[in-house]
Amino acid sequence: TQLLEQSPQFLSIQEGENLTVYCNSSSVFSSLQWYRQEPGEGPVLLVTVVTGGEVKKLKRLTFQFGDARKDSSLHITAAQPGDTGLYLCAGLIQGAQKLVFGQGTRLTINP
Amino acid sequence: DAGITQSPRHKVTETGTPVTLRCHQTENHRYMYWYRQDPGHGLRLIHYSYGVKDTDKGEVSDGYSVSRSKTEDFLLTLESATSSQTSVYFCAISEYGTASGANVLTFGAGSRLTVL
Repeated sequence: TQLLEQSPQFLSIQEGENLTVYCNSSSVFSSLQWYRQEPGEGPVLLVTVVTGGEVKKLKRLTFQFGDARKDSSLHITAAQPGDTGLYLCAGLIQGAQKLVFGQGTRLTINP
Repeated sequence: DAGITQSPRHKVTETGTPVTLRCHQTENHRYMYWYRQDPGHGLRLIHYSYGVKDTDKGEVSDGYSVSRSKTEDFLLTLESATSSQTSVYFCAISEYGTASGANVLTFGAGSRLTVL
């Protein structure tokens, strides 16, 4: 059983399109992180969200933490081939002090 | 790079043989972690360390042991490798533990292990 469900698991779109990746759980998180991983490398942190309803922007990437702190989304505007990679969400379970990862979303942006 | 090195980067071994993976950091971070990454499962924690000689189990610790004799080194050992342990193994470090809420991980480049 996956504590953090990411969807979709695979996404292939054309350059210039918009997309949203979701990270959902029935657990409440103290914080939630998003990482991006490229082939042959380890994940690299993109952002951490802490407050329910929080929105953070990183250039064309917008991250949102749900009001109840059980879910998060990553929205990419005008996707570029350089956005291609595996996106992972990771949540710090409130009370359990345990960091759990979603299965990942493999994103391919076609030129 | 954040100063975290994994070795070997690739290894092919046979069932039943012992394997040790090494993680070396130059950041002097207190916390070190070993994860495995498999398709459809994301990253799963094997073991972690919160100081020299202080280690604890993660969610998939069966068949694995760890040791940390120095701040900079964290070793993962498979005493008798099985095909189910074929995976990509990632070491990670963090300055703070999960209790702080500021637990941000920096990962190594990974070690790909194939057990035949």
